[in-house]
Amino acid sequence: KAGVTQTPRYLIKTRGQQVTLSCSPISGHRSVSWYQQTPGQGLQFLFEYFSETQRNKGNFPGRFSGRQFSNSRSEMNVSTLELGDSALYLCASTARGQFTGELFFGEGSRLTVL
Amino acid sequence: GNSVTQMEGPVTLSEEAFLTINCTYTATGYPSLFWYVQYPGEGLQLLLKATKADDKGSNKGFEATYRKETTSFHLEKGSVQVSDSAVYFCALSPTYGGATNKLIFGTGTLLAVQP
Repeated sequence: KAGVTQTPRYLIKTRGQQVTLSCSPISGHRSVSWYQQTPGQGLQFLFEYFSETQRNKGNFPGRFSGRQFSNSRSEMNVSTLELGDSALYLCASTARGQFTGELFFGEGSRLTVL
Repeated sequence: GNSVTQMEGPVTLSEEAFLTINCTYTATGYPSLFWYVQYPGEGLQLLLKATKADDKGSNKGFEATYRKETTSFHLEKGSVQVSDSAVYFCALSPTYGGATNKLIFGTGTLLAVQP
């Protein structure tokens, strides 16, 4: 069974640009969550989607947005990039949107903003 | 608010040593508690969990007991191996039985086991 797949794995952008990250959940999983991981702030929750609906959102500015498609794949977008957006962005999926706390994480997309 | 505090690393141990990684939490209500592990170059994976007070989660020789009176969920293993070298994250879900998979994570503790 394939795991959570995130693309691209690495990318470099400059301040002011925008970026789109993609996440393909485990087959059959319908809930997708996004987290930002930085050395200073650790792992912080960005948002959660289930059946194409945002179910929960963390404390991030409106520059951070996401969506989920009918096949459960998800994308997140960061507009007007800032240096502080440099981070590892992790996607996680869970089965059927039920609460278990068991998130299956991808390896992440490492974003560097110059 | 909800938060998780775990001991700073790195923790360096010799193979077969006893491991304890401390984790305490602040939360309203009755959160579920988790330990996740991140091996080098990999995503996080769930190690164990406990959903109510006095529950003990266990997996791969690791154990943690949900202590409501001390708001703690310390991770222990009796005999560590080199392959246990990784970053360990304590986490809580602020909603018990609710419809969300949002987790609050601690900062992570790097464990390095030497042969």
